[in-house]
Amino acid sequence: KNQVEQSPQSLIILEGKNCTLQCNYTVSPFSNLRWYKQDTGRGPVSLTIMTFSENTKSNGRYTATLDADTKQSSLHITASQLSDSASYICVVADPSGANNLFFGTGTRLTVIP
Amino acid sequence: GAGVSQSPSNKVTEKGKDVELRCDPISGHTALYWYRQSLGQGLEFLIYFQGNSAPDKSGLPSDRFSAERTGGSVSTLTIQRTQQEDSAVYLCASSPGLAGFYNEQFFGPGTRLTVL
Repeated sequence: KNQVEQSPQSLIILEGKNCTLQCNYTVSPFSNLRWYKQDTGRGPVSLTIMTFSENTKSNGRYTATLDADTKQSSLHITASQLSDSASYICVVADPSGANNLFFGTGTRLTVIP
Repeated sequence: GAGVSQSPSNKVTEKGKDVELRCDPISGHTALYWYRQSLGQGLEFLIYFQGNSAPDKSGLPSDRFSAERTGGSVSTLTIQRTQQEDSAVYLCASSPGLAGFYNEQFFGPGTRLTVL
């Protein structure tokens, strides 16, 4: 059973609009949660990393929120641009620190003019 | 270059052939990971190396898959007797320490493997 679920699977929005992507997880105990952006044909690039004590973190037009009590995170994209078209992957780590990273299957975002 | 590099970027091979995929991590990064990404699927962990410790091979799908990391730097993933289900993008990532400990992972561009 996938311990990290993302929604929606895909999303199409108009350039300039905002959007929010969701990530629910069951990983426990929990160490940190990451959001990655993966452009087509490229490797994932880190957007934010949050520990359980952080509930919001921004990186330019990207803002991630975390509710460790409900085990939910969201990634909000403001004033979308065509270059935001990519897959966004949520990753949750447990505190064993070894290789316990749990990857979501991603949300495919398409921004259209 | 400052990033993780992988080669080749694309590899087409015939079923039954062996392939080698290479990863050059960021200099000084002690942890190196290999993942497989199939179309529409999340990243699937294959193997990771951390410093001089024995690698964690728990994600390798069969004994046809193996990997080594020489001198704590370059890594090679070898797939023997390739099968069509091995077709995927193989991603390498490195980090300054274990990724679970809040260390950021830096990914390479991947190698797209197609087995005919």
